[in-house]
Amino acid sequence: SQTIHQWPATLVQPVGSPLSLECTVEGTSNPNLYWYRQAAGRGLQLLFYSVGIGQISSEVPQNLSASRPQDRQFILSSKKLLLSDSGFYLCAWSRALGYTFGSGTRLTVV
Amino acid sequence: GENVGLHLPTLSVQEGDNSIINCAYSNSASDYFIWYKQESGKGPQFIIDIRSNMDKRQGQRVTVLLNKTVKHLSLQIAATQPGDSAVYFCAEGSGNTGKLIFGQGTTLQVKP
Repeated sequence: SQTIHQWPATLVQPVGSPLSLECTVEGTSNPNLYWYRQAAGRGLQLLFYSVGIGQISSEVPQNLSASRPQDRQFILSSKKLLLSDSGFYLCAWSRALGYTFGSGTRLTVV
Repeated sequence: GENVGLHLPTLSVQEGDNSIINCAYSNSASDYFIWYKQESGKGPQFIIDIRSNMDKRQGQRVTVLLNKTVKHLSLQIAATQPGDSAVYFCAEGSGNTGKLIFGQGTTLQVKP
């Protein structure tokens, strides 16, 4: 069966520090991969999606970047975090209809 | 930004009653619609989906209705239970990239 792993679950980082969040998928090949951010009490905002290795599409201009070095690995990064980068970050994968989400990373920038 | 919105941010129902959560969407070309449930601190979980060529689909205690004429989607939960308390998101999507556009979410509160 397919599983999606996302870590860490929580993260507290100072302003200006770098960020690396990792997401891996097991049990499937060539999935579409997505990073979403969810602000407190808000909906899900699509940040990046990828249809294959090295292929990244950015949905909104921001302080973040994404990479897909392997078929089932999706990484969200920042060189210098801002306070506004705080939020709940969700990775998801899909092959056909709909997504399967990871458990999320709660990022607090202080 | 999101193109799918929800009419009510919070819905409070009595345990055992039926719940109806509504959603308006804007893209008449969307191929399918999905409802997700998100419990506090967790990722959203799939509840039920419906393709654009259908107007009703039933699952276990849940029914999704699609009215393409007015671009409206609803989720009905029968005999609402305390475990149904969560935020519910509707989402619309179309084939090529599989991208989903999510609404803002409705918080369902179940009173014992």
